[in-house]
Amino acid sequence: TQLLEQSPQFLSIQEGENLTVYCNSSSVFSSLQWYRQEPGEGPVLLVTVVTGGEVKKLKRLTFQFGDARKDSSLHITAAQPGDTGLYLCAGAGNNDMRFGAGTRLTVKP
Amino acid sequence: GAVVSQHPSRVICKSGTSVKIECRSLDFQATTMFWYRQFPKQSLMLMATSNEGSKATYEQGVEKDKFLINHASLTLSTLTVTSAHPEDSSFYICSASEVETQYFGPGTRLLVL
Repeated sequence: TQLLEQSPQFLSIQEGENLTVYCNSSSVFSSLQWYRQEPGEGPVLLVTVVTGGEVKKLKRLTFQFGDARKDSSLHITAAQPGDTGLYLCAGAGNNDMRFGAGTRLTVKP
Repeated sequence: GAVVSQHPSRVICKSGTSVKIECRSLDFQATTMFWYRQFPKQSLMLMATSNEGSKATYEQGVEKDKFLINHASLTLSTLTVTSAHPEDSSFYICSASEVETQYFGPGTRLLVL
């Protein structure tokens, strides 16, 4: 059972476009992480959000944690080919962590 | 951030042999480590949770006698794929938990011929 639903599953856009990836759950999480994974490598942590309503920015990436700590979004402004990868959200709670199925982003030059 | 290493990064073996993969937390102690399997263009699939000093907890459908996990110290967990078969070929990734955040190793590509 997937506790975290990510959407869209696949996304292909042109360089310079904006995009938003969503991570939704019916469960409340004490914290939520976003990772990016490139082919043949392990996921790399981008951000951890802890407080409901929290917004964090990492250059062109903006992360938001829902007020109820059940959902999160990742917005990328002016996407670049280097942003291509698999984006995973993961929620921590009840002494475990569960991952979403991931959003595979392709940014075409 | 915290660093997790895996060894080897890739391994090719013959069918029927056993392969051991090591996962180390380099700059922090991890009482809990996780082992994942990932097929091409798919997300991570949690195989088991490795607990230091106790038995690993396996996810449903993962054979504990096939995938042996040993977490002998606070910085090392090993995954042994016993009697490997071609269908075991995959990308295996470990992670170590520190303060509710998981840090991942670079992964091990296993190819069973």
